[in-house]
Amino acid sequence: AQSVTQPDIHITVSEGASLELRCNYSYGATPYLFWYVQSPGQGLQLLLKYFSGDTLVQGIKGFEAEFKRSQSSFNLRKPSVHWSDAAEYFCAVGAGEYGNKLVFGAGTILRVKS
Amino acid sequence: NAGVMQNPRHLVRRRGQEARLRCSPMKGHSHVYWYRQLPEEGLKFMVYLQKENIIDESGMPKERFSAEFPKEGPSILRIQQVVRGDSAAYFCASSPRDQPQHFGDGTRLSIL
Repeated sequence: AQSVTQPDIHITVSEGASLELRCNYSYGATPYLFWYVQSPGQGLQLLLKYFSGDTLVQGIKGFEAEFKRSQSSFNLRKPSVHWSDAAEYFCAVGAGEYGNKLVFGAGTILRVKS
Repeated sequence: NAGVMQNPRHLVRRRGQEARLRCSPMKGHSHVYWYRQLPEEGLKFMVYLQKENIIDESGMPKERFSAEFPKEGPSILRIQQVVRGDSAAYFCASSPRDQPQHFGDGTRLSIL
């Protein structure tokens, strides 16, 4: 069965520091991969997606992610974190017969210290 | 540029009552999905619908839960005879034919 692992439940970084959030997936075929961000009391906002092609994907708010098939990973990165980036981040893989059933990781809560 | 609209944002029900959650997809989106976010359990897929059709309901509990997406009007997630364990945030997402899915702000359901 498809699954997504986000090994870090909480991460704290200083404002201006770089960020990498880890995501590993288990999926038989070429996956559809996503990163979403959720602020408290809000819905999920799509940061970026990977369907095929270039393995380095650019997203909104200065985020990027790299698909590494050999490591079954899709880690999210940002070179310089802003206080407004504090939120919960979810990695997801598109599963099911149509690829439309999102399977989410448990999420990583990002704290930003000034 | 309206996104996915869910209402109500907050819903309180007593045990045994019915809860009806509504979702209007983004303009031009014909696919709707429902997810549930339970405390400490993360987001879980419930059901995937197109207009007048349920495509994948593999995540729906076998009893008390149903979903529809009629030809006209919003998608409805219906929970009959609610129990305390149904307390959660329920998110709707929509997409065009293919990905990606765009999410609403959710309905927080509380059961007294």
